[in-house]
Amino acid sequence: DVKVTQSSRYLVKRTGEKVFLECVQDMDHENMFWYRQDPGLGLRLIYFSYDVKMKEKGDIPEGYSVSREKKERFSLILESASTNQTSMYLCASRLGPIWGYEQYFGPGTRLTVT
Amino acid sequence: QKEVEQNSGPLSVPEGAIASLNCTYSDRGSQSFFWYRQYSGKSPELIMFIYSNGDKEDGRFTAQLNKASQYVSLLIRDSQPSDSATYLCAVNNPNTGNQFYFGTGTSLTVIP
Repeated sequence: DVKVTQSSRYLVKRTGEKVFLECVQDMDHENMFWYRQDPGLGLRLIYFSYDVKMKEKGDIPEGYSVSREKKERFSLILESASTNQTSMYLCASRLGPIWGYEQYFGPGTRLTVT
Repeated sequence: QKEVEQNSGPLSVPEGAIASLNCTYSDRGSQSFFWYRQYSGKSPELIMFIYSNGDKEDGRFTAQLNKASQYVSLLIRDSQPSDSATYLCAVNNPNTGNQFYFGTGTSLTVIP
């Protein structure tokens, strides 16, 4: 079974802090994704990575950056946390760009910025 | 215009009934279609996927795809209270990249 883990389930940070969210997958997947999920807005893609050191912006990259130094690990960085970044953050991985493969999600990190 | 649209619900059905969840998409080049279930406070988990026009059955679940109408649906037969969750439709066009486009989800409640 594919396993995607995230570093924290719940996180509380103060405005202006630098926040690191980490995601690890154990199935040698090429693609990894970061989403945020907010009520009424659904899943919105922040960034994704299709290979080590490769990244592409999603729909809402402002205020975020990412790092992928190793294939199994994809980090999301909030450079200076703001209250409007309070959300559920979901990491996902996918075998590759091959037609049809599904995304597997981690358990999520509920981040509160005060 | 949203890429993927779903009725947000809530949809309520009695236990044992058929629940019908619908999804429309705007990208005609989409080729892969996925249904995820998400329980409150949890992450999405894949129920099933479909690539070809027609029906695909997996236990109590049936996915239906009509590419001409840009429509995909999920039927849940013999609905159980444990099916109460939000159901997300996701669409992928491999020709335009790795991105999945998700609907906002339909909330389903199965009443015992």
